[in-house]
Amino acid sequence: ETGVTQSPTHLIKTRGQQVTLRCSSQSGHNTVSWYQQALGQGPQFIFQYYREEENGRGNFPPRFSGLQFPNYSSELNVNALELDDSALYLCASSLGGPGANVLTFGAGSRLTVL
Amino acid sequence: GQQLNQSPQSMFIQEGEDVSMNCTSSSIFNTWLWYKQDPGEGPVLLIALYKAGELTSNGRLTAQFGITRKDSFLNISASIPSDVGIYFCAGLLNNAGNMLTFGGGTRLMVKP
Repeated sequence: ETGVTQSPTHLIKTRGQQVTLRCSSQSGHNTVSWYQQALGQGPQFIFQYYREEENGRGNFPPRFSGLQFPNYSSELNVNALELDDSALYLCASSLGGPGANVLTFGAGSRLTVL
Repeated sequence: GQQLNQSPQSMFIQEGEDVSMNCTSSSIFNTWLWYKQDPGEGPVLLIALYKAGELTSNGRLTAQFGITRKDSFLNISASIPSDVGIYFCAGLLNNAGNMLTFGGGTRLMVKP
């Protein structure tokens, strides 16, 4: 069984640009969550997707948006990038919908905003 | 920002020593989780705790869910070099979906 895969692994953008990060969930997992991990800090919850709809959101502005596709894969989109958006973006998948707490994390996409 | 206070922030110990780290919160959580993150990787679940007072072991790791539901600790016995990494506690409320709240992490370094 394959784990959670994320792409790209690293990318560099400039302020004001837009970025799309992608995540393939672990086989059989139907729920995807996204976390932002700034350097030296713990991950912070961005949002969760279940049945292709956003189901829970952390304290992030609307320029952070996402999608979940019928095959349970997901995208995180960030518009109007700011320097503080530089971080490791982690995708985590789980089975059983909201409330299931066994999350499998991917290795992350490291975004640098210049 | 972070709601969980994790301490210590870093530890540098000798191989074979025991390690203890803890996490406290101003909020009550229904589930406590402990993760380890290696460089270039995502966090990996070590132990999950579901009931106040629960004590759970996973090999050389032991974790406890505090009786007040506002704290948890993780112990590692007889540390080895591969224990090096960053350990995170995380709390979960049952009515908050999968929204984990993470601590700031404890960086563990082991000297052979």
